[in-house]
Amino acid sequence: QKEVEQNSGPLSVPEGAIASLNCTYSDRGSQSFFWYRQYSGKSPELIMFIYSNGDKEDGRFTAQLNKASQYVSLLIRDSQPSDSATYLCAVNMEYGNKLVFGAGTILRVKS
Amino acid sequence: DAGITQSPRHKVTETGTPVTLRCHQTENHRYMYWYRQDPGHGLRLIHYSYGVKDTDKGEVSDGYSVSRSKTEDFLLTLESATSSQTSVYFCAISESRGQGANQPQHFGDGTRLSIL
Repeated sequence: QKEVEQNSGPLSVPEGAIASLNCTYSDRGSQSFFWYRQYSGKSPELIMFIYSNGDKEDGRFTAQLNKASQYVSLLIRDSQPSDSATYLCAVNMEYGNKLVFGAGTILRVKS
Repeated sequence: DAGITQSPRHKVTETGTPVTLRCHQTENHRYMYWYRQDPGHGLRLIHYSYGVKDTDKGEVSDGYSVSRSKTEDFLLTLESATSSQTSVYFCAISESRGQGANQPQHFGDGTRLSIL
């Protein structure tokens, strides 16, 4: 069973702080990693994707990938109350164009 | 928004009745997916399609069938709905660029299905 694990949270951070969301995966052959944000009652929205080891930055968001440790993370700088949502980590299967999703981490940013 | 429309957005039906959910895309993407989302389980893949008339099973395919007769439409059918199929159903689409890294999936707004 290929798995993606996330801490369910909630993760609470004060406004302006850095939020760090973590994800581990079991399939060593995975090559593509995605972070989605989902507000309550809404559909998942793509935030970041990363394919190579290291960091990828986009505005206030940074995705970090360590394939050796099978670990991917999402950093949100200068967290805002509007960032409060569930963050889903998704990892591709080794073969095929399918993703496995983690159960998500609830983030709460307190003003 | 990616051009994805799911219909209906909400449906309430009774156990044993057939139900069909529709996903329509205007992006001409090759791949289309059906997921269900339940508390504590996250998003789980039901079926997916990699082209017209080309479909495959996902993690939770029992009790569901799909059809794709046109690039733009992907139908999910519950032949005889059960209460355990009460869920929120999401359609997603993605491009394909051959082997290697997958392209991101983009989601429709979802269908909330209640089976009484």
